[in-house]
Amino acid sequence: AQTVTQSQPEMSVQEAETVTLSCTYDTSENNYYLFWYKQPPSRQMILVIRQEAYKQQNATENRFSVNFQKAAKSFSLKISDSQLGDTAMYFCAFMSSNFGNEKLTFGTGTRLTIIP
Amino acid sequence: SQTIHQWPATLVQPVGSPLSLECTVEGTSNPNLYWYRQAAGRGLQLLFYSVGIGQISSEVPQNLSASRPQDRQFILSSKKLLLSDSGFYLCAWRRGVGEQYFGPGTRLTVT
Repeated sequence: AQTVTQSQPEMSVQEAETVTLSCTYDTSENNYYLFWYKQPPSRQMILVIRQEAYKQQNATENRFSVNFQKAAKSFSLKISDSQLGDTAMYFCAFMSSNFGNEKLTFGTGTRLTIIP
Repeated sequence: SQTIHQWPATLVQPVGSPLSLECTVEGTSNPNLYWYRQAAGRGLQLLFYSVGIGQISSEVPQNLSASRPQDRQFILSSKKLLLSDSGFYLCAWRRGVGEQYFGPGTRLTVT
């Protein structure tokens, strides 16, 4: 079974600074997907960024980028030029690429606070 | 565009009462649908998923059940709620390969 570990329960950073959230995972599969989801106070889960394991290039979405290290099974999220609206819980998640078994396995989350 | 709805948004129910939470998706057909639960301060745990009408897979044995009576409707039910059923329930749908999008969620408090 896959597991996802987020070792930073809480983080805080000044507005406009850069912050990196850590995530490690464990799987025996070679092809899979990794995700970062954001959960603001409204509690709706919002997809931030997605990485396909067979792609070596790190995914980027505007101010959000990942550092995907497949051999180390590490998947960190970097938020550049942080904004107050980035304050939220951030969850790392794993999904198998086997069709019909596309369930997400989540980490326990990191609570990120952007300080004005 | 596709949208996903959940209702009710919040619910307070006594122990032993029944439960019915509804999820519907618009703008797509035959989506894969998922029910997740988030306990306080925890990540999400997959409860059920469905790849089509009447097809339900259970991930965690528990006091809950799911049904899919229509293509774009997914229902989470219980005959008798337990205190441990309290939590935040999220429905999700599969938009494409390796992509899941979530509804706004239902906050359930069992008293």
